[in-house]
Amino acid sequence: NAGVMQNPRHLVRRRGQEARLRCSPMKGHSHVYWYRQLPEEGLKFMVYLQKENIIDESGMPKERFSAEFPKEGPSILRIQQVVRGDSAAYFCASSRSERGTREQFFGPGTRLTVL
Amino acid sequence: EDQVTQSPEALRLQEGESSSLNCSYTVSGLRGLFWYRQDPGKGPEFLFTLYSAGEEKEKERLKATLTKKESFLHITAPKPEDSATYLCAVQTRNQFYFGTGTSLTVIP
Repeated sequence: NAGVMQNPRHLVRRRGQEARLRCSPMKGHSHVYWYRQLPEEGLKFMVYLQKENIIDESGMPKERFSAEFPKEGPSILRIQQVVRGDSAAYFCASSRSERGTREQFFGPGTRLTVL
Repeated sequence: EDQVTQSPEALRLQEGESSSLNCSYTVSGLRGLFWYRQDPGKGPEFLFTLYSAGEEKEKERLKATLTKKESFLHITAPKPEDSATYLCAVQTRNQFYFGTGTSLTVIP
């Protein structure tokens, strides 16, 4: 499977727990983007990362949320002390080039439910 | 403020009834405009990239066009399998702005 991979596909957490979402980009892609999608709403940009660098995190909530894309391994979106409002579908996308127009290819998403 | 607006929110078509979906945008420094298809419970599937006004792209029954202020996705003689939500997105330097989509239902 050469596409963007995300796991887990479904994640259930109780309030106050931590959620870790993983994303492996397409082969040959070194740029990763995270989005959140709420029911009846569009995809909201959260963060844009390259290997070992955060390029733009202007869409990320200031508290409890963090993201990384290490030199080796998948990109991780981490949500600490989850609250019910964090329940959403989280999508990861990857692209090849940092310059010019960047076509993004999306993974299947992780659906987070906070009880 | 950078913004992407899609219309209509929902569209029901009879099989074979052609129509168009609209995406209007107000962004500074447009790098590209993208169309995606999203099926329920799945991630968006890339369809087209448009770079500049006047550009057109086609794929099967879909044709995307771009002007300075908006893009259209024309669907010719749609089939039930074209039922999905169609998303428009624009790229500025480092950010991507998505519209809320048009939910298309094609009735046999």
